[in-house]
Amino acid sequence: LAKTTQPISMDSYEGQEVNITCSHNNIATNDYITWYQQFPSQGPRFIIQGYKTKVTNEVASLFIPADRKSSTLSLPRVSLSDTAVYYCLVGRGAGTALIFGKGTTLSVSS
Amino acid sequence: GAVVSQHPSWVICKSGTSVKIECRSLDFQATTMFWYRQFPKQSLMLMATSNEGSKATYEQGVEKDKFLINHASLTLSTLTVTSAHPEDSSFYICSATGGLADTNTGELFFGEGSRLTVL
Repeated sequence: LAKTTQPISMDSYEGQEVNITCSHNNIATNDYITWYQQFPSQGPRFIIQGYKTKVTNEVASLFIPADRKSSTLSLPRVSLSDTAVYYCLVGRGAGTALIFGKGTTLSVSS
Repeated sequence: GAVVSQHPSWVICKSGTSVKIECRSLDFQATTMFWYRQFPKQSLMLMATSNEGSKATYEQGVEKDKFLINHASLTLSTLTVTSAHPEDSSFYICSATGGLADTNTGELFFGEGSRLTVL
């Protein structure tokens, strides 16, 4: 299973755009890249998933370069409620467990 | 997205007793469920993988006789912590995949988690 590396922590202010980059040098051809958000004492919540290029949904964008060895989660105009731990995971499909790395603790201040 | 529900959300028990945690997929059939454990300020650690109707596959270092996992139906998996001790106190999270919830994209749907405190 591909190992991921993310910054341990990031700080931001309300209204700013936050970009969290994840390295996954050993990603396999069949692996998708998925980002999850976790608040204290809650299960992880799906944010976005992609395979290549760019994916955008109502809460975030995911940028994946052609070599797929990294990905960047972009959160536009963060608010205090975006303070959480963000996990980048790679996996290859139904039935395969996702292995969590340390994640990135994002702290948003006013 | 698909809904995975855990029960109880928190439980306190005495040392030496057994505790059962349920994980249900509410609107899809979960062919595979995963159990994670999370200690304070740490990431989720995969404990075991269970496929409906089969014995669970445990990760290295996880005692299968202590953490009993049953996945008897496509919508229910249970984790029983037997003879619990204070060091078993943790946040236990299940996730599920399969059926309408997920086909080939690898997305997992997570429960809300269950906080176990062993006195």
